[in-house]
Amino acid sequence: DAGITQSPRHKVTETGTPVTLRCHQTENHRYMYWYRQDPGHGLRLIHYSYGVKDTDKGEVSDGYSVSRSKTEDFLLTLESATSSQTSVYFCAISESLAGVKETQYFGPGTRLLVL
Amino acid sequence: DAKTTQPPSMDCAEGRAANLPCNHSTISGNEYVYWYRQIHSQGPQYIIHGLKNNETNEMASLIITEDRKSSTLILPHATLRDTAVYYCIVRVTFSNTGNQFYFGTGTSLTVIP
Repeated sequence: DAGITQSPRHKVTETGTPVTLRCHQTENHRYMYWYRQDPGHGLRLIHYSYGVKDTDKGEVSDGYSVSRSKTEDFLLTLESATSSQTSVYFCAISESLAGVKETQYFGPGTRLLVL
Repeated sequence: DAKTTQPPSMDCAEGRAANLPCNHSTISGNEYVYWYRQIHSQGPQYIIHGLKNNETNEMASLIITEDRKSSTLILPHATLRDTAVYYCIVRVTFSNTGNQFYFGTGTSLTVIP
């Protein structure tokens, strides 16, 4: 793994509660991404960041917010968790938008169960 | 819309070459093709990528057709540890701030002893 950790690795929560997932990198890469993975859908992009305090929406951003106050940390928040947000969440990082350095490297994932 | 189409599953004998096909008939001229794999429930692992030319690295070879509408990932000598789900991905640059990887549902490759 390319110096990416995610916490927690597993979480069980109840509908309506807020949840924050953390992605931490030690590579000093500029770009960070949050994906979710569900059966039959592959991985889908939720939000991404192109620098400190710079974020934008991905394909499935409804119900999620993100923040990036420093290069190494990218937080994903579910303001009020719903059962449809039960999923495996992956963080990814990349050094650039172009060329070989655009390759995205993925963290180990966080399994979230919303009851 | 699905940007790539892959067979849902394939088997390969250990020690033989595994050839994993992918169709990306709507690919645009500046969109790269990437291959990743995912073992059990780990994070996806990068394998290789290309734009037009065939590519080879220590893990695999990528063959892209001349019209770029399809590609094949080749694992030259498959081992049991290559059993995984393989994703063929089109990378789209949708703004000057980010790229999006469009993952499909992948091919589940089983390497048989």
